[in-house]
Amino acid sequence: GAGVSQSPRYKVAKRGQDVALRCDPISGHVSLFWYQQALGQGPEFLTYFQNEAQLDKSGLPSDRFFAERPEGSVSTLKIQRTQQEDSAVYLCASSPRPTGLGPSPLHFGNGTRLTVT
Amino acid sequence: AQSVSQHNHHVILSEAASLELGCNYSYGGTVNLFWYVQYPGQHLQLLLKYFSGDPLVKGIKGFEAEFIKSKFSFNLRKPSVQWSDTAEYFCAVNSRNYGQNFVFGPGTRLSVLP
Repeated sequence: GAGVSQSPRYKVAKRGQDVALRCDPISGHVSLFWYQQALGQGPEFLTYFQNEAQLDKSGLPSDRFFAERPEGSVSTLKIQRTQQEDSAVYLCASSPRPTGLGPSPLHFGNGTRLTVT
Repeated sequence: AQSVSQHNHHVILSEAASLELGCNYSYGGTVNLFWYVQYPGQHLQLLLKYFSGDPLVKGIKGFEAEFIKSKFSFNLRKPSVQWSDTAEYFCAVNSRNYGQNFVFGPGTRLSVLP
């Protein structure tokens, strides 16, 4: 497709359930980011991949959060034992170049709205 | 820690009014600066970007922004807003000196009254 695709668009989970959120970046994009956006806030950085390598996971809020991009394209963000404070929109963004090789803007998906009840 | 601040949480304007949204960042050194817009129900879209060169940059839909290094600012402007500009606007900063990620401001909601 032409843009970044995320699925599902909406996810409702009961507290304690595990969830998996999928991101399909723009084809050929090297860099992939996950962000968390709480209601009324700006996106907060979670983690960054360059191809299949996870170069920065400093934004992951706890060890319940795990992200992978095993073949350097599709990425999955997994949240184990979900808590109510995990409720947010999870955004995926991709960029054609590694961030270390010069600036390049991010292309965002529509996000997945996670509600934990 | 590095941070990005946006001066206004919610701005309400009438059509044809001029717009200026403030953005300040706390980074030192070389920075890349962006403004993103999020229309209701849509994904974040790039409005404009500054990497180097002329500090006055022009983006889509008549928006422009000015980078003032001495003030650590990158304010967004539009001479005459339209009802269709109603959206949430986010300033973002990226710097190789501070890791790979892009840091976003909290956003400013713009409501344009017809």
